[in-house]
Amino acid sequence: NAGVTQTPKFQVLKTGQSMTLQCAQDMNHNSMYWYRQDPGMGLRLIYYSASEGTTDKGEVPNGYNVSRLNKREFSLRLESAAPSQTSVYFCASSEGWGGQPQHFGDGTRLSIL
Amino acid sequence: QKEVEQDPGPLSVPEGAIVSLNCTYSNSAFQYFMWYRQYSRKGPELLMYTYSSGNKEDGRFTAQVDKSSKYISLFIRDSQPSDSATYLCAMRGYGQNFVFGPGTRLSVLP
Repeated sequence: NAGVTQTPKFQVLKTGQSMTLQCAQDMNHNSMYWYRQDPGMGLRLIYYSASEGTTDKGEVPNGYNVSRLNKREFSLRLESAAPSQTSVYFCASSEGWGGQPQHFGDGTRLSIL
Repeated sequence: QKEVEQDPGPLSVPEGAIVSLNCTYSNSAFQYFMWYRQYSRKGPELLMYTYSSGNKEDGRFTAQVDKSSKYISLFIRDSQPSDSATYLCAMRGYGQNFVFGPGTRLSVLP
């Protein structure tokens, strides 16, 4: 019973490099979310996908892109990483949009030098 | 002013104490309120979910919402060392995404 699985768990990038964070859920949830967590800031929504085939911007979308590959998978891409994107990234899922994010992955710790 | 505020702590209490964790908010449109628990280096886990004002109880946990004061609370009775974690509140209005507080770090000492 995996829930929400994120890969990788840790990553160090240089400024300007690109990478994709992967997320998969096995609960047949319709909605998926990407958050970043910074000290003193709380979780901030980057992008979300209310249902398969749709994606929408959250509070802090600049510098990121997402793909809802299928109902299970939702990836987050940094095209040209910047030090300001150093953070812990969490993926979450819920049965439907408007419901509370019910299940979170354990995060990807990303450092950009 | 942040939309949702929490005292960051750390809050240290002895085992068995009653813990009160609080959030204040500024947006009167918020109707849905949640509490999450987050252990170190783990993702948040949903603890409590309430709609509008009132109380909700689940085992040792009680969530209270006072919309007139824009204030929500989470009470933990008979606190245990295993309750040591960061507690996040989150809230939203109709048709909105959830907004999270920065979290309060709780330490329950044996």
